[in-house]
Amino acid sequence: GAVVSQHPSRVICKSGTSVKIECRSLDFQATTMFWYRQFPKQSLMLMATSNEGSKATYEQGVEKDKFLINHASLTLSTLTVTSAHPEDSSFYICSAETRRDGENYGYTFGSGTRLTVV
Amino acid sequence: DAKTTQPPSMDCAEGRAANLPCNHSTISGNEYVYWYRQIHSQGPQYIIHGLKNNETNEMASLIITEDRKSSTLILPHATLRDTAVYYCIVRARSGYALNFGKGTSLLVTP
Repeated sequence: GAVVSQHPSRVICKSGTSVKIECRSLDFQATTMFWYRQFPKQSLMLMATSNEGSKATYEQGVEKDKFLINHASLTLSTLTVTSAHPEDSSFYICSAETRRDGENYGYTFGSGTRLTVV
Repeated sequence: DAKTTQPPSMDCAEGRAANLPCNHSTISGNEYVYWYRQIHSQGPQYIIHGLKNNETNEMASLIITEDRKSSTLILPHATLRDTAVYYCIVRARSGYALNFGKGTSLLVTP
């Protein structure tokens, strides 16, 4: 089945630095990928939709200049948290849409990245 | 996308069937019902999805009422590893993300 690899699984960074999270579709091409954030004891919140070769679409309240998304190929999307602060500490999860004959055939999720900003 | 309503938590004894309900009374004709689960500190895992017919796979069965206003996910023989938060999501169009509600926290006990 479809596999999405997300890296790193855990990262600790200092306040003010930037962190890049990678999301790769291993055995399929993902035209569309999604980035979510999850705070403790809460559900997943969609941050942005990433389409290969075009600018990402951000959800209301998500700062596009802070959360930089690049989807340069059909198998890789990256999320860069710039100038990270402790309030950015969260669990970040990517997802890729799988398609068959042009129609949605489901969504596959990465294993998530636990970001801690100190 | 239609809104879903799920009980916040449920318990199930190991080896028994776990029946997780979901209400989606405003579902449209072209919207599918998806079920995912999330084990603590992991990414969501796909379980099953359906449009109007009942579906079964190696993980679970999905029973959708004839009017499509509700559905039930059935784990036929729950194990301790099935302890997770289960999300029922209704979605229509390709290219759009799944929107997660609060889900049902299922606890399987020995």
